[in-house]
Amino acid sequence: DGGITQSPKYLFRKEGQNVTLSCEQNLNHDAMYWYRQDPGQGLRLIYYSQIVNDFQKGDIAEGYSVSREKKESFPLTVTSAQKNPTAFSLCASSSAGTSGLTGELFFGEGSRLTVL
Amino acid sequence: DAKTTQPPSMDCAEGRAANLPCNHSTISGNEYVYWYRQIHSQGPQYIIHGLKNNETNEMASLIITEDRKSSTLILPHATLRDTAVYYCIVRVVAGKLIFGQGTELSVKP
Repeated sequence: DGGITQSPKYLFRKEGQNVTLSCEQNLNHDAMYWYRQDPGQGLRLIYYSQIVNDFQKGDIAEGYSVSREKKESFPLTVTSAQKNPTAFSLCASSSAGTSGLTGELFFGEGSRLTVL
Repeated sequence: DAKTTQPPSMDCAEGRAANLPCNHSTISGNEYVYWYRQIHSQGPQYIIHGLKNNETNEMASLIITEDRKSSTLILPHATLRDTAVYYCIVRVVAGKLIFGQGTELSVKP
């Protein structure tokens, strides 16, 4: 079935440790996104990528890095600089229309990261 | 950047229509309005989107005012399974998506 797969679903990291969250899609979508959702709040954009080998910072990029070497993959690395103790991170993808991004966003099920 | 404003919470009786408002007074002419909903700790689910005209699908209807400064999502016959946080989103052509705070809809028996 087509969709977005995030892994792992739960992850613990020690302070000073970098970890990478995986996001894979088989929908042939050009655009991919990473969002973070803090308790009781809406989604905030971390990074997004409209095409392979290109990505832009969102509103809360500090402490994160991404790569987009393949169309279907958009991994997110959480570095030691990211101080948020617990975060629910969501990956999404969409097709890109000729007049801008007009495709529906498809979300993964999320990854919950906890700092020990 | 266009941003959205939504009431933090709403209640609706089961079987009745749920009308969820969204203010997007700074929306640009080529920006779409999207609605998504999120059931607790799951990924958001697409509901509907529109640019200028009213839209309807099997899940909901979207009413956009003529000046495009606000919109209303209508769930015609709300069920308990419609209890969720509903997000009104305005797309920016450059690809950056701005979520509102969302409205927590509680459908009660």
